[in-house]
Amino acid sequence: DGGITQSPKYLFRKEGQNVTLSCEQNLNHDAMYWYRQDPGQGLRLIYYSQIVNDFQKGDIAEGYSVSREKKESFPLTVTSAQKNPTAFYLCASRDSQETQYFGPGTRLLVL
Amino acid sequence: GQNIDQPTEMTATEGAIVQINCTYQTSGFNGLFWYQQHAGEAPTFLSYNVLDGLEEKGRFSSFLSRSKGYSYLLLKELQMKDSASYLCAVIFRSGNTPLVFGKGTRLSVIA
Repeated sequence: DGGITQSPKYLFRKEGQNVTLSCEQNLNHDAMYWYRQDPGQGLRLIYYSQIVNDFQKGDIAEGYSVSREKKESFPLTVTSAQKNPTAFYLCASRDSQETQYFGPGTRLLVL
Repeated sequence: GQNIDQPTEMTATEGAIVQINCTYQTSGFNGLFWYQQHAGEAPTFLSYNVLDGLEEKGRFSSFLSRSKGYSYLLLKELQMKDSASYLCAVIFRSGNTPLVFGKGTRLSVIA
């Protein structure tokens, strides 16, 4: 069963804490993306990776970091430098026809 | 910039037809996507238009005019489950550039 998985579904962060959101895909897609969505807002691009061991900043990369050590995995770390992290985080991968497919999302809340 | 404009909200009656418009800057345009996003869930792919014209998929159709920088998503025989946000996204240039998303149109279907 191919697809994109994200975990956890809900994540709570304390002040000054770094948290990591998982994104895994078994679709054999090269490109992967991280978006942030705030209530009633559109998707904003955080980081993207076109190939293993390579990634680029999106529009709102400050306070976030990523790695792409394996084709299947593209974890996102929300660092303590991100002062307003509460949002819905969506991971996506892209097929050869340019279509992006999304994982189910992780909702991050600050305690 | 690469602005993508679509109405913020629309309301339509069950069984009716609704058209959701999207306009974008034509420079560098390479293709346009429509996604559906139910509240609290991830976006799901609806359609991809590259060439001018209408593409029909069951109750949903998508139209593109490249020269006018204009697209619309047409939903026929509306059902209550069609209440969702509809996101217009454009790929500018080709290859590995990320999609640029509009802010989405929230459609409410009423009885």
